[in-house]
Amino acid sequence: EAGVAQSPRYKIIEKRQSVAFWCNPISGHATLYWYQQILGQGPKLLIQFQNNGVVDDSQLPKDRFSAERLKGVDSTLKIQPAKLEDSAVYLCASSLDRVPGELFFGEGSRLTVL
Amino acid sequence: AQSVAQPEDQVNVAEGNPLTVKCTYSVSGNPYLFWYVQYPNRGLQFLLKYITGDNLVKGSYGFEAEFNKSQTSFHLKKPSALVSDSALYFCAVRLFIRGSQGNLIFGKGTKLSVKP
Repeated sequence: EAGVAQSPRYKIIEKRQSVAFWCNPISGHATLYWYQQILGQGPKLLIQFQNNGVVDDSQLPKDRFSAERLKGVDSTLKIQPAKLEDSAVYLCASSLDRVPGELFFGEGSRLTVL
Repeated sequence: AQSVAQPEDQVNVAEGNPLTVKCTYSVSGNPYLFWYVQYPNRGLQFLLKYITGDNLVKGSYGFEAEFNKSQTSFHLKKPSALVSDSALYFCAVRLFIRGSQGNLIFGKGTKLSVKP
């Protein structure tokens, strides 16, 4: 079974530039999550989708972050414009709704903002 | 507010010795508790969970965790540590959201270092 795929693995940009991250969840997983993991901290949820609908985006900085999951499968997270404090690893995860809490994570996309 | 705390930034243990990684939680209602492990440059991997039932739950790689309601704790344990267990360990609690399966709130993580 293929795991959660994320790209790119690494990205370096200047502040005020834009960046996009892509995630393809495990086939059949209806729920998709984007987490932000800052160095030395635990992952923090940015947005949760169930199929193509948003379940929770309360911690997403909507003035600069956006995410979509148009066909209920893969998803894109965008940051525009980026700030220094956005330097982090962006983790995508997916889950089966019938198994609450068991998330399958991708390897993450490491963003460095200079 | 629901939260989870991992009081130790790092735990050091010798190979072959037992290990404990501590976690305490604060939730309203019955908690759903989880442990995840993160190896360097890798995503998080699910280890084990407590939903209901037996207070001692067993998971992957020989790990187990004990749910203690009176102490609001969910410590991760292993009887005999391996060097390959060295990684970052995260405790998490499930946050309930009406109409959905909810999402996880993670602790800040504890770095486990097992020396030969």
